Amino acid sequence: AQSVTQLGSHVSVSEGALVLLRCNYSSSVPPYLFWYVQYPNQGLQLLLKYTSAATLVKGINGFEAEFKKSETSFHLTKPSAHMSDAAEYFCAVIPNAGGTSYGKLTFGQGTILTVHP
Amino acid sequence: GAVVSQHPSWVICKSGTSVKIECRSLDFQATTMFWYRQFPKQSLMLMATSNEGSKATYEQGVEKDKFLINHASLTLSTLTVTSAHPEDSSFYICSARPSGGARETQYFGPGTRLLVL
Repeated sequence: AQSVTQLGSHVSVSEGALVLLRCNYSSSVPPYLFWYVQYPNQGLQLLLKYTSAATLVKGINGFEAEFKKSETSFHLTKPSAHMSDAAEYFCAVIPNAGGTSYGKLTFGQGTILTVHP
Repeated sequence: GAVVSQHPSWVICKSGTSVKIECRSLDFQATTMFWYRQFPKQSLMLMATSNEGSKATYEQGVEKDKFLINHASLTLSTLTVTSAHPEDSSFYICSARPSGGARETQYFGPGTRLLVL
């Protein structure tokens, strides 16, 4: 079964600092990978996704993520944090195969990003 | 485009009553919709996959008789929590996949917060 692990339930950075949120997946076949952001009491907004094209994926709000098959990772980065980036971030996968998990998203535990002035 | 709405956005009910939550795709048709549940400080867990015109597929551990799903049209899926109890209090989020869309594409609703007293 697919699983996603986000290392660090809380990450705190200063405004202007680098943001790095870690995500590792477990799968013998590289899945489709996603990063979503959730603001308090709201639904999810897609930041970016990897679907087996370019390994470096650029998303909205200045975020990007790099798929590294050798490390089974898909870490999310942003060069300079803004106060408005404070939210919870979820890494998610969809199996790149058929079967009963077709099209089903599996989410990581989430990482709360705090940005200090 | 690709907007998904949920109604109500929040609901408070007494224990033992039933609550219906609607998920609508406003500007596209969705053959498949997904229902997720998110407990406080936890990740999203897929409850069921709703397919227009057929029975929903429930994830392991989700009681189909308690969480009734109806997907009667290509733009509307409903989740009814029957005989709700305090432990059903949660944030319920739906997502919709455009008909004919790629399996990795899902648009999320803003969520419905349910509090059962």
